[in-house]
Amino acid sequence: GAVVSQHPSRVICKSGTSVKIECRSLDFQATTMFWYRQFPKQSLMLMATSNEGSKATYEQGVEKDKFLINHASLTLSTLTVTSAHPEDSSFYICSARLTTGAQETQYFGPGTRLLVL
Amino acid sequence: QQQVKQSPQSLIVQKGGISIINCAYENTAFDYFPWYQQFPGKGPALLIAIRPDVSEKKEGRFTISFNKSAKQFSLHIMDSQPGDSATYFCAASIYNFGNEKLTFGTGTRLTIIP
Repeated sequence: GAVVSQHPSRVICKSGTSVKIECRSLDFQATTMFWYRQFPKQSLMLMATSNEGSKATYEQGVEKDKFLINHASLTLSTLTVTSAHPEDSSFYICSARLTTGAQETQYFGPGTRLLVL
Repeated sequence: QQQVKQSPQSLIVQKGGISIINCAYENTAFDYFPWYQQFPGKGPALLIAIRPDVSEKKEGRFTISFNKSAKQFSLHIMDSQPGDSATYFCAASIYNFGNEKLTFGTGTRLTIIP
C-alpha cells in the first residue's frame, strides 16, 4: 500500500517557539495533502487542505497565520506551528491523496505528537 | 453539526465473536464511505471502503453493510481477535476529483477480550 511518513514523530518545545512538521508521500505523488488535529480519545478534525503549488485552504476556525502550510513538491507538505502555546499541544496527522484512475484514497501518516511547555 | 454519527462509543467483544459498529450520515451527497483503524499513537489506516452502488462489501473478516435509504452503514468484524483491539472511525466524503474531504465519525474504541 501507499506509505506516508511524518517527521518528527514527537516534539517538545517551549512556549513561543515555532515547530515544523513534515509530511512525505514515499512511493507516490500527491497533489493534495490534508492536515488533521486529534485530541485524546477524540476524532480527527480537518485543519486544512494543502495543494501543491498553491495556497492551502483552511477550515473555519483555523488560524492560517498560526498554522503555516507549505506544499512545495508533489511528495512533501509542511505544517509550521508558529509561536506555539500549551493549547496547541495535540496529535497532528497528515494524509496524502492517491488518485488511481477514477479512485481516490487518503493514506495517513503515523502522526506527530506535539507538547508545548 | 455532526454529519456522521457513530455508535457505540466503546465496545467489548469476546474473542471469536462478531464486532459491529454503526454509522449514520445526513448529507445525501456523500458517496464514498471508508472505515479506518487506529492504534494508540499511530495514524489511521484504511481498512475497507464502500460506494453506495453496492449494499455489502467483504474483505477477509471485515464486512461493510450499506443501507442507502436509511443513510446508515456498518462495519462487521467476524471472528474478532485481540489484535483487532483499536479505535475504529467511519468516514464519508463526496467521491469526486477536486476538493474531496473526509468527514469522520466520533470513533469506537473496540476491545477484544480472551
